[in-house]
Amino acid sequence: DIQMTQSPSSLSASVGDRVTITCRASQGVSTLLAWYQQKPEKAPKSLIYAASSLQSGVPSRFSGSGSGTDFTLTISSLQPEDFATYYCQQYNTYPYTFGQGTKVEVK
Amino acid sequence: EVQLVESGGGLVQPGGSLRLSCVASGFTFRNYWMKWVRQAPGKGLEWVANIKQDGSEKYYVDSVKGRFTISRDNAKNSLFLQMISLRAEDTAVYFCARGGVSDPSVDYWGQGTLVTVSS
Repeated sequence: DIQMTQSPSSLSASVGDRVTITCRASQGVSTLLAWYQQKPEKAPKSLIYAASSLQSGVPSRFSGSGSGTDFTLTISSLQPEDFATYYCQQYNTYPYTFGQGTKVEVK
Repeated sequence: EVQLVESGGGLVQPGGSLRLSCVASGFTFRNYWMKWVRQAPGKGLEWVANIKQDGSEKYYVDSVKGRFTISRDNAKNSLFLQMISLRAEDTAVYFCARGGVSDPSVDYWGQGTLVTVSS
């Protein structure tokens, strides 16, 4: 199975900060990498697919980059509604696998 | 508006069975891959199963192979997950999810249904 490792596991940030989360795959997944946001007791929300394409309705402050084994999710200017846990997922190879999550907390 | 509404969760004893359902609306169900993803209490997300538009291809995570069966009824816009021989480690919120039209990642999620396996 492909292991997905996110870093950091958690971070503290303030409104307006630029936030970067990294996701590393144990083997190449091309650009078949998605990012999801989840708030407590809620269903996940899809943010990015194909490593860098924004899902419909997702604010442009979210961006994704990378290919192969190294990927990044960037929030250019953190907003109050962005405090949440973020997951990456590879869908290049079955079983599809998620990273362990990165919790973005208020500083 | 795309909607995915799960039902069928509940408390079941180890070794028991349960069938989850997901009713879809707001899109042409038969055109999309569908998935189940679960989340154990306080844990991260785990992909469980995928099913192709016509049901001809199904894929599972190893931990549920032989115990879970994903299926769909395109005439009723419904997705199912039949679960047998349930274990404590199957305790989780189960999310129904839709694959994107041009990309197999998830674009829409249901609200989830809780399955608790306990004696």
